[in-house]
Amino acid sequence: GAVVSQHPSRVICKSGTSVKIECRSLDFQATTMFWYRQFPKQSLMLMATSNEGSKATYEQGVEKDKFLINHASLTLSTLTVTSAHPEDSSFYICSAEDFNGDTDTQYFGPGTRLTVL
Amino acid sequence: KQEVTQIPAALSVPEGENLVLNCSFTDSAIYNLQWFRQDPGKGLTSLLLIQSSQREQTSGRLNASLDKSSGRSTLYIAASQPGDSATYLCAVREAGTALIFGKGTTLSVSS
Repeated sequence: GAVVSQHPSRVICKSGTSVKIECRSLDFQATTMFWYRQFPKQSLMLMATSNEGSKATYEQGVEKDKFLINHASLTLSTLTVTSAHPEDSSFYICSAEDFNGDTDTQYFGPGTRLTVL
Repeated sequence: KQEVTQIPAALSVPEGENLVLNCSFTDSAIYNLQWFRQDPGKGLTSLLLIQSSQREQTSGRLNASLDKSSGRSTLYIAASQPGDSATYLCAVREAGTALIFGKGTTLSVSS
């Protein structure tokens, strides 16, 4: 099956710094990728839809200036958490959409755990 | 707006029991439905994907059914094992959109 990687898997940073998370589709091209956030004991909440070559679409309540998304190629999307604060500590998971004939499937990365001190 | 609900939120069973996890969704115009497993602190493992035209999918001891018209899906786990302990997430997808997740059912199987 299709493989999606994320880097880093875990990051600890000081409050006020910016953190970049990479999401890569390893064996397929993805014009669309999605970013989710999961707080402890909660489900995955969609943050934004990342489209290759165009601006991301953010869900209601997600600050686009704080969570910068860049989808510069068909295999890479990045999420930058700018001026991170402790309340941004969470598990960030990306997924990439693979079109295969008549169906399209979302494949998920392993997630990135962000801890802001 | 699509909403996904999973019942129960938590479930504890002894090893060997058969069990059913329930998922309901508010808008029946879905493209597909997927069941995932998530271990504590880990990412998602896809278990079963049911396309909107399908009624069920099976993989080993797992069987997932889909009733689009009533907005329901069930995940049946046969002969549960301690290794099945995890959180099970149900997610639905409408055409052209991202998966929308329920809050999950946390399963604990005791030996």
